[in-house]
Amino acid sequence: DVKVTQSSRYLVKRTGEKVFLECVQDMDHENMFWYRQDPGLGLRLIYFSYDVKMKEKGDIPEGYSVSREKKERFSLILESASTNQTSMYLCASSSSGARGQTGELFFGEGSRLTVL
Amino acid sequence: DQQVKQNSPSLSVQEGRISILNCDYTNSMFDYFLWYKKYPAEGPTFLISISSIKDKNEDGRFTVFLNKSAKHLSLHIVPSQPGDSAVYFCAASSGKLIFGQGTELSVKP
Repeated sequence: DVKVTQSSRYLVKRTGEKVFLECVQDMDHENMFWYRQDPGLGLRLIYFSYDVKMKEKGDIPEGYSVSREKKERFSLILESASTNQTSMYLCASSSSGARGQTGELFFGEGSRLTVL
Repeated sequence: DQQVKQNSPSLSVQEGRISILNCDYTNSMFDYFLWYKKYPAEGPTFLISISSIKDKNEDGRFTVFLNKSAKHLSLHIVPSQPGDSAVYFCAASSGKLIFGQGTELSVKP
């Protein structure tokens, strides 16, 4: 059964803390994505990566960075967490295939982050 | 600027009736459209897609319609079942996926 696994389902952090969100996929997909989901705003793309060590900014990259050292793993880093980063974070992966970066996305179960 | 809009945050439908979820977009360069379904505490899962060269795609109880001139996409679920209760996101692509805000569907027995 193909899977995207996010390391933490629920996290509570304090303002100013460094936060790591880890994501691993077992489908040998080239592309990986980080989204955040907020009520009334839908899913917004933070960063994506189409290859190891490659990364591209999405629509809301401010306050975030990412790391992709291995094909199966894509990490989202909040260098100094703030309360407005309280959200549901969703990792996804896709193969490149004929559709380039936007083949069907497979999502993880999400990480609910609360910043106090 | 929201390029993909789902203007109805919620929809309530009786079991067995049709559910129609709507989505509007502004970018004429979008060439591929998808619908995702999300249950609480789970990640979204792919439901159905349509290429811009088509105006309809059907998969069982789910049909997606695309009206390019109106820049409008809709998902029809017939007949609706209580297990269809979820948040539905439309998404559009011209190289990366842009998602709408989501519509919460509630199907009442």
